[in-house]
Amino acid sequence: GQSLEQPSEVTAVEGAIVQINCTYQTSGFYGLSWYQQHDGGAPTFLSYNALDGLEETGRFSSFLSRSDSYGYLLLQELQMKDSASYFCAVRGGGDYKLSFGAGTTVTVRA
Amino acid sequence: GAGVSQSPSNKVTEKGKDVELRCDPISGHTALYWYRQSLGQGLEFLIYFQGNSAPDKSGLPSDRFSAERTGGSVSTLTIQRTQQEDSAVYLCASSSGLGNTIYFGEGSWLTVV
Repeated sequence: GQSLEQPSEVTAVEGAIVQINCTYQTSGFYGLSWYQQHDGGAPTFLSYNALDGLEETGRFSSFLSRSDSYGYLLLQELQMKDSASYFCAVRGGGDYKLSFGAGTTVTVRA
Repeated sequence: GAGVSQSPSNKVTEKGKDVELRCDPISGHTALYWYRQSLGQGLEFLIYFQGNSAPDKSGLPSDRFSAERTGGSVSTLTIQRTQQEDSAVYLCASSSGLGNTIYFGEGSWLTVV
C-alpha cells in the first residue's frame, strides 16, 4: 500500500514563503501530486511531478526527489486566499491508485 | 457533463437506514474514485474503478459499504444500516484513465442522527 506524511499545520504572514514537505512510501511510484482544498470546497489540482526536480506554476512550485521519496510544495508571496488545506498524493501500486496524505492546514495572517 | 456531479449534496438519515450516493463522472473518464472526509480530516480512500478492471475495494471500512459502476459511467456508493460514525463528506473524483489529474465533485454531505 501507500503511506504519506506531511505536517498538520503551518502559519505564516502575507507575503511570506511556506514550504510543505511530504514523504511517502509506495510499492511502485508513478508521480506525486498536490491538491488544494478550501473550507467547505472540493480539492482542486495544483501540480504533478513524475520526474526529479522543480516544477513552477506561478507563485506555487513543487519539487520531487524520487531517490529520497520526498517532495515539497512551495507557496511564495503568500496571500490571504492561500489559507486552505494542502494535500500531497502519490500514484502507486499495481493499479495506479491515487492515495492522499492527511493534509496540511495553511493559515495566512495579515 | 462539464464536471463531476454528485447527488444528493446533503443527506440527513436516521441510524440504521440505508443510503445511496450517486456520482456522475466527467464524460469519457474511465477512472473513478470514492473518498470519505470527516470534518477537518484528510481524504480516506474507499474504492477505485479503472475501466473494465476489477475495482480496488481495499478502502471500504466494512461490509456495510458497497459501490458499483454501471456501464463504465455513473457510480453508486451504498451504505447499509448507517451508523453515526458514517457521518462525513463523501467525495467522488474521476480522471481520464492514467491521467495525472483527478477532478472532484462537490461531495455528498451525510449526517446520521
